[in-house]
Amino acid sequence: AQTVTQSQPEMSVQEAETVTLSCTYDTSESDYYLFWYKQPPSRQMILVIRQEAYKQQNATENRFSVNFQKAAKSFSLKISDSQLGDAAMYFCAYRSGSYSGAGSYQLTFGKGTKLSVIP
Amino acid sequence: ETGVTQTPRHLVMGMTNKKSLKCEQHLGHNAMYWYKQSAKKPLELMFVYSLEERVENNSVPSRFSPECPNSSHLFLHLHTLQPEDSALYLCASSQDEFGGNTGELFFGEGSRLTVL
Repeated sequence: AQTVTQSQPEMSVQEAETVTLSCTYDTSESDYYLFWYKQPPSRQMILVIRQEAYKQQNATENRFSVNFQKAAKSFSLKISDSQLGDAAMYFCAYRSGSYSGAGSYQLTFGKGTKLSVIP
Repeated sequence: ETGVTQTPRHLVMGMTNKKSLKCEQHLGHNAMYWYKQSAKKPLELMFVYSLEERVENNSVPSRFSPECPNSSHLFLHLHTLQPEDSALYLCASSQDEFGGNTGELFFGEGSRLTVL
């Protein structure tokens, strides 16, 4: 079974600075997808960024980028020019890319990292 | 109108009560999910429905009973719950049970359940 580990329960960053959230995962598969989801307080969880394992290029979405190290099974999220609206819980998630029966495509989530942004 | 709507947002119930959580999606998706979110724990997948048929049940106690009358609506019926069932219950939808081409889930804001 796959596991996702987020070793930082809480982090803080000064507004306009850069912060990196860590995520490691354990899998024996070669084909999979990784995600970062953001859950603001009392708001809906939304997808921030997505990475396909077969792509060597790191995904980027505006101020959000990832550092995907497949061999190390590491998938960190970098937030540049942090804004107050970035304060939220961030969840790393894994999804298999190979169908092996019911449930094999379901997401496995980490415990989350609570990010605070200091004005 | 948001993509995935959950009601009620907050619910307090006794251990002998019967209540239901409701989820509605306006995205035209074919798959819907119930997740349980507890503090300091990963999200736990409870149920998956694809085209109104249950395709996944992750060993959830029978005091939780899902219902999916159509592809837009999902219910979670609750009865004789325990205090440890207090949590945020999240509904999500996706294009299909495989998450569509992107694997993306679309979440509701959640229903905060407190069991006394």
